Amino acid sequence: GQQVMQIPQYQHVQEGEDFTTYCNSSTTLSNIQWYKQRPGGHPVFLIQLVKSGEVKKQKRLTFQFGEAKKNSSLHITATQTTDVGTYFCAGSGGSNYKLTFGKGTLLTVNP
Amino acid sequence: NAGVTQTPKFQVLKTGQSMTLQCAQDMNHEYMSWYRQDPGMGLRLIHYSVGAGITDQGEVPNGYNVSRSTTEDFPLRLLSAAPSQTSVYFCASSYTGWVSNTEAFFGQGTRLTVV
Repeated sequence: GQQVMQIPQYQHVQEGEDFTTYCNSSTTLSNIQWYKQRPGGHPVFLIQLVKSGEVKKQKRLTFQFGEAKKNSSLHITATQTTDVGTYFCAGSGGSNYKLTFGKGTLLTVNP
Repeated sequence: NAGVTQTPKFQVLKTGQSMTLQCAQDMNHEYMSWYRQDPGMGLRLIHYSVGAGITDQGEVPNGYNVSRSTTEDFPLRLLSAAPSQTSVYFCASSYTGWVSNTEAFFGQGTRLTVV
């Protein structure tokens, strides 16, 4: 079945440093989504990428979808303490709409 | 606008007991799903549904049953609770677009402990 792998599992940065998390799928995806989960909270949707090679930006966050639609990345420029949380990628492929999540990257930021 | 409502928020069960986790959404979403979240394991799909009367298994379905009699509700039943089912459970819903899901909305989660 479809597997979505995400690295790193943990990342600790100093405030102001950049952060990147990577996502790889075992199969070609129809789309990839990114979510953020604050400690003790529930996942909250950040963005969806659909097109091959797509790049989207949200303020300090940059999302990329690979040309083969099997990998993606989230890059945060100049992290802030408000960026703390777990970032998940989630992919779906095929016609069954099943959404498979990666294991997430826990980001901690030292002020 | 309620979104996705899960009940209860917390639950303690004894081994062997059964219970139902409730999930309701008011956004007329076709797709609903249940995930469990354990430390270091991410969100693992238990069961999902693409519409009323249609359900399918995810990657960890054993010990759980679901049904989808209405668009709004998607309850998750634990048949005979085991300590391995101690977890945080999330219900999510989304609109099924032409070829793929759109944004998934999550409930607040149910923290289940089985003793």
